[in-house]
Amino acid sequence: DVKVTQSSRYLVKRTGEKVFLECVQDMDHENMFWYRQDPGLGLRLIYFSYDVKMKEKGDIPEGYSVSREKKERFSLILESASTNQTSMYLCASSLQGAPSYEQYFGPGTRLTVT
Amino acid sequence: AQSVTQLDSQVPVFEEAPVELRCNYSSSVSVYLFWYVQYPNQGLQLLLKYLSGSTLVKGINGFEAEFNKSQTSFHLRKPSVHISDTAEYFCAVSEISTGNQFYFGTGTSLTVIP
Repeated sequence: DVKVTQSSRYLVKRTGEKVFLECVQDMDHENMFWYRQDPGLGLRLIYFSYDVKMKEKGDIPEGYSVSREKKERFSLILESASTNQTSMYLCASSLQGAPSYEQYFGPGTRLTVT
Repeated sequence: AQSVTQLDSQVPVFEEAPVELRCNYSSSVSVYLFWYVQYPNQGLQLLLKYLSGSTLVKGINGFEAEFNKSQTSFHLRKPSVHISDTAEYFCAVSEISTGNQFYFGTGTSLTVIP
């Protein structure tokens, strides 16, 4: 079974802090994705990566950056957390070059910025 | 970019009754279609997918969906729901030609009433 793990289930940070959300997948997937999920808005893509050290902006990249130094790990960084970044963050992975392959999701990190 | 519309944000239904969750997408190009389920405090889990072939697709937990190209719809159905089906359901689309990005609907919250 594909397993996507996220470093924390719940996280509380203060405004202005630098925040790292880590995601690891164990199925050698090339593609990895970060979404945020908000009530009534569904899932919105923040960034995705299709290879090590490669990244592409999604629909809402402002205020976020990402890092992919190893194939299995994709990090989301909030350089200076703000209250409007309080949300559920979901990581996903999928095989390369085949949009028919589904995305596999981690359990999510619920981030609260106070 | 794709637009995915889930027409009902909340659907209450009595146990053992049938249910249909509606999904429409905007594109006229060829697409792959997916339904995901999210149980409380968990990540998303694939219910079923349409890639090609028969327009009626069967998934896990007794769910099925029908692809209608002319109406650009992919509605999810179950003939008899259980309490355990209470969850959030997301429809997702990926365009065959453009690659790995998914477009998600805003979700439908299904509540099964005993």
